[in-house]
Amino acid sequence: NAGVMQNPRHLVRRRGQEARLRCSPVKGHSHVYWYRQLPEEGLKFMVYLQKENIIDESGMPKERFSAEFPKEGPSILRIQQVVRGDSAAYFCASSPPEGSYNEQFFGPGTRLTVL
Amino acid sequence: QKEVEQNSGPLSVPEGAIASLNCTYSDRGSQSFFWYRQYSGKSPELIMSIYSNGDKEDGRFTAQLNKASQYVSLLIRDSQPSDSATYLCAVKGTGRRALTFGSGTRLQVQP
Repeated sequence: NAGVMQNPRHLVRRRGQEARLRCSPVKGHSHVYWYRQLPEEGLKFMVYLQKENIIDESGMPKERFSAEFPKEGPSILRIQQVVRGDSAAYFCASSPPEGSYNEQFFGPGTRLTVL
Repeated sequence: QKEVEQNSGPLSVPEGAIASLNCTYSDRGSQSFFWYRQYSGKSPELIMSIYSNGDKEDGRFTAQLNKASQYVSLLIRDSQPSDSATYLCAVKGTGRRALTFGSGTRLQVQP
């Protein structure tokens, strides 16, 4: 019974490069959430997606960040022109379809380091 | 005022004791409340969810919710050194599916 899968687990980028983080939700889950955890800080919501739709991106920085959850394949969080302040752990979570109480299950995270 | 507040700790308890973790929230319309455990360098792990006023027990864990006081707590009975971790309180706000997290309480269980 596979849980949420994320890759890569660790990603090193130089300033100005692009970072692509991938997330495959629990089988049967149609809701995906991305959270960011800066060093020594709490988890902050970034974006909530369903298949082919961004539902809530209120926590997403306005520039350089984008997310998608295509009909086929994993959800992608893309960070363009990374800066040192983007260094953080990025967690993806998934939850079952509508009607549930929205229990969210987290993947192992991608730890991004920007040099 | 932060949306979800927790005492950062560390909360230190001896092995076998009861650990009591507290959380307050500001959105009075919130309906769903969760406790996650996070070991250092790992991802959050859901340990309890609660939706109605009162107590909910699951093994050594008891979650307590008081919506009138906007207060949720987690009790860990017979604490073990393996319970040493950061405990995150999360709240699903009115009309949203995103979770708002507190900054976490670090629990240390002393052998």
